[in-house]
Amino acid sequence: GAGVSQSPRYKVTKRGQDVALRCDPISGHVSLYWYRQALGQGPEFLTYFNYEAQQDKSGLPNDRFSAERPEGSISTLTIQRTEQRDSAMYRCASSLAVSGGARDEQFFGPGTRLTVL
Amino acid sequence: GQSLEQPSEVTAVEGAIVQINCTYQTSGFYGLSWYQQHDGGAPTFLSYNALDGLEETGRFSSFLSRSDSYGYLLLQELQMKDSASYFCAALGSQGNLIFGKGTKLSVKP
Repeated sequence: GAGVSQSPRYKVTKRGQDVALRCDPISGHVSLYWYRQALGQGPEFLTYFNYEAQQDKSGLPNDRFSAERPEGSISTLTIQRTEQRDSAMYRCASSLAVSGGARDEQFFGPGTRLTVL
Repeated sequence: GQSLEQPSEVTAVEGAIVQINCTYQTSGFYGLSWYQQHDGGAPTFLSYNALDGLEETGRFSSFLSRSDSYGYLLLQELQMKDSASYFCAALGSQGNLIFGKGTKLSVKP
């Protein structure tokens, strides 16, 4: 399949541990987005990239959260010193055009369900 | 700040028409998107309006009025498989997408 993939699909960790969530966008997609989604809520924007450049990280909750996309393809969202409140579904999406383009359809991955004990 | 308001739940019967409204307040606005999400699944794109007016795609149509900061999604000839959550999302000037809290649509036989 040529969709967006994320790994791991499920991650259980202890409070205080660091976690790294991976997103592999659709090949050739320029923009990549990270969201967090609580049960019964809409996706909450965290950050996004055009190519390898991080465009907006205003949605990152605090400085324990960081993201990178060093070669403009795969991206990693890292959460340091995890806390129980970080438990959520973390979703990645990609789009073909530079964000803000005419249609801006985003293709979402299956998500990583993070549980912090 | 940025916020989008949409009803939390809507119920309709098979074959009916339902309209899901969305009002938005955003600092900088490029357009309004709609996404569908089935339980346990990922959001999938339905439509995008950059200009005022109606966009039609099969049984689904989406409308935008920039002057009223308002849009809606119209679903016709409802089918059981349309039971899902529907999110409006505003594309802001920073290039990010801000989602509403979603409308859970239940289609009854």
